[in-house]
Amino acid sequence: DAGVIQSPRHEVTEMGQEVTLRCKPISGHDYLFWYRQTMMRGLELLIYFNNNVPIDDSGMPEDRFSAKMPNASFSTLKIQPSEPRDSAVYFCASSPDSREQYFGPGTRLTVT
Amino acid sequence: QQPVQSPQAVILREGEDAVINCSSSKALYSVHWYRQKHGEAPVFLMILLKGGEQKGHEKISASFNEKKQQSSLYLTASQLSYSGTYFCGTEETPIAQGGKLIFGQGTELSVKP
Repeated sequence: DAGVIQSPRHEVTEMGQEVTLRCKPISGHDYLFWYRQTMMRGLELLIYFNNNVPIDDSGMPEDRFSAKMPNASFSTLKIQPSEPRDSAVYFCASSPDSREQYFGPGTRLTVT
Repeated sequence: QQPVQSPQAVILREGEDAVINCSSSKALYSVHWYRQKHGEAPVFLMILLKGGEQKGHEKISASFNEKKQQSSLYLTASQLSYSGTYFCGTEETPIAQGGKLIFGQGTELSVKP
């Protein structure tokens, strides 16, 4: 199996621009999680889906962040407008049963 | 409520043992352990459900004391490949019931030859 796929792997953008991060979970996994990792705040859960339905989005920083899962094989995390403090590594993870989570390679976002 | 890990960092020689602790002020349903190597994604090691069970993964094992809301990760006869940052994650309410996994701040483990 291919594992969780994320794109792009690196993104450099200017403040104010829209950023879209993409994730393809492992086939058959019912859960999909979006995390953000920074040195200051560690590994934070942003939002997760179960069977394409958002369950907990309490970690989404503010209205600038939105996430969608239109089908079982694709999810997006959008930041509009982006700010320098959004610079981080964003991980997508999927799980068949909410226990073991399989992380993707991450997207390193730099906002200048 | 973010769990607290200790120590924050530890340096070992190959073959030495280490213990990493994770504690919460809240009652826990489960504790998860992950390892992340530099520049890579976290990788699942094991999950412990309330009930005090102990699990093992190669020479890495863990225990969960639900009364104290504490878990410990034991690394015995450490190998160079054990180097990385270890994270515990705690579930107060099961994710399957709408809860979430909250990660500790991590413990950086370095194994030297």
